[in-house]
Amino acid sequence: DIVMTQTPLSLSVAIGQSASISCKSSQSLKYSDGKTYLNWVFQSPGQSPKRLIYQVSKLDSGVPDRFSGTGSETDFTLKISRVEAEDLGVYYCCQGSYSPHTFGAGTKLELK
Amino acid sequence: QVQLKESGPVLVQASETLSLTCTVSGFSLTNYGVIWVRQPPGKGLEWMGIIWRNGNTDYNSALKSRLSINRDTSKSQVFLKMNSLQTDDTAIYYCTRALAYWGQGVMVTVSS
Repeated sequence: DIVMTQTPLSLSVAIGQSASISCKSSQSLKYSDGKTYLNWVFQSPGQSPKRLIYQVSKLDSGVPDRFSGTGSETDFTLKISRVEAEDLGVYYCCQGSYSPHTFGAGTKLELK
Repeated sequence: QVQLKESGPVLVQASETLSLTCTVSGFSLTNYGVIWVRQPPGKGLEWMGIIWRNGNTDYNSALKSRLSINRDTSKSQVFLKMNSLQTDDTAIYYCTRALAYWGQGVMVTVSS
């Protein structure tokens, strides 16, 4: 199974600062169709998760453009510019290229 | 609009079988797959398995000997069954379409 390694596991930021989360996969996530099925999922406390980004860099509807996803093959990054209070919670990467799909351990974004 | 809703028992005895239902609306199960994800209290997300739009299934390697996912397309329902439950199966169980749409989750407690 593909192992997804997220760093850091915890991140303290001040409102208005930027934040960056790394996600590395144990093998390339580029699928035979040429696409890379790497998702970023966010969960605020007490809520169901929601997807923010799919296929590495495509923002879901309604997601602010403060969020961006980059990367390829095995190295991926989620960047949040100008963090707002509503961004605090846990971020997960999840690969959907190969079954079984797998989540990273999660990165908790907290207020400094 | 797309909706998913989990239902099932909130308390299950150890060694018994968990049966959960995910009832969907706003889309057809013959057009989209459905994923089951669980989250133990205070922990991260765990991908459990998927039933693809063609009815094929894939499972988490650690769970596949105990887990089965089926569906009734006429009722727009997806079913999860997991046997030989232990206390560490206590978790919130979610169903989701492509991680973009999620149910509210059902908290299942396994009692010894």
